[in-house]
Amino acid sequence: YVLTQPPSMSVAPGQTASLTCGGSNIVTLSVNWYRQKSGQAPVLVLFDDTARPSGIPERFSGSVSGNTATLTIATVEAGDEADYFCQVWGSASDHAVFGGGTKLTV
Amino acid sequence: QVHLRESGPGLLKPSQTLSLTCSVSGDSFTSGTHYWSWVRQSPGTGLEWLGYIYYTGNTYYRASLKSRITISIDTSTNQFSLNLASVTAADTAIYYCARLVDTARGVFDHWGQGVPVTVSS
Repeated sequence: YVLTQPPSMSVAPGQTASLTCGGSNIVTLSVNWYRQKSGQAPVLVLFDDTARPSGIPERFSGSVSGNTATLTIATVEAGDEADYFCQVWGSASDHAVFGGGTKLTV
Repeated sequence: QVHLRESGPGLLKPSQTLSLTCSVSGDSFTSGTHYWSWVRQSPGTGLEWLGYIYYTGNTYYRASLKSRITISIDTSTNQFSLNLASVTAADTAIYYCARLVDTARGVFDHWGQGVPVTVSS
């Protein structure tokens, strides 16, 4: 199973960033999103398509339709600059599959 | 607060065995509420899940690594370990341990800071 993410995206502060993750019939899977700042470990920002862990602001939201999952970051701040990875679970032989990541530049 | 920390040698020669340990605080293995996993990251292959273990010792490994990987757990010390045999340059990566919420949704909710491993002669 392959997850496809655009390698980069640039957005101005205060604007909205929509990061996409493509996968075959991804709507049938549970999608999780991670943020990774330079030199740091990944941090969970969304799970089960739309749920936010404690400590993640409401500016982060998610949606899934058909073959595309989307992480939306509203009112983007400089501190949101990072790599964002999508991930699903449950493929035939390799349970966890990660997308290649999108580098968000603010 | 849950905290994970990896430890182990950062430099290996080809054909050696990689051995890493993850020390966990803030959660007890024997509560049985989570699974414990290893993930690695390299520029070439991105984030790659390696396998997971439950406190009972049940394991599940990435198919392509099954012949080389062993994950073990020590509930008395709240540590779990990764052994990867016959390493090559392709195993050069940052290795993370992570808590896996369950095996139905595959959510990694806590990660260690990662340990860089280089395989070079």
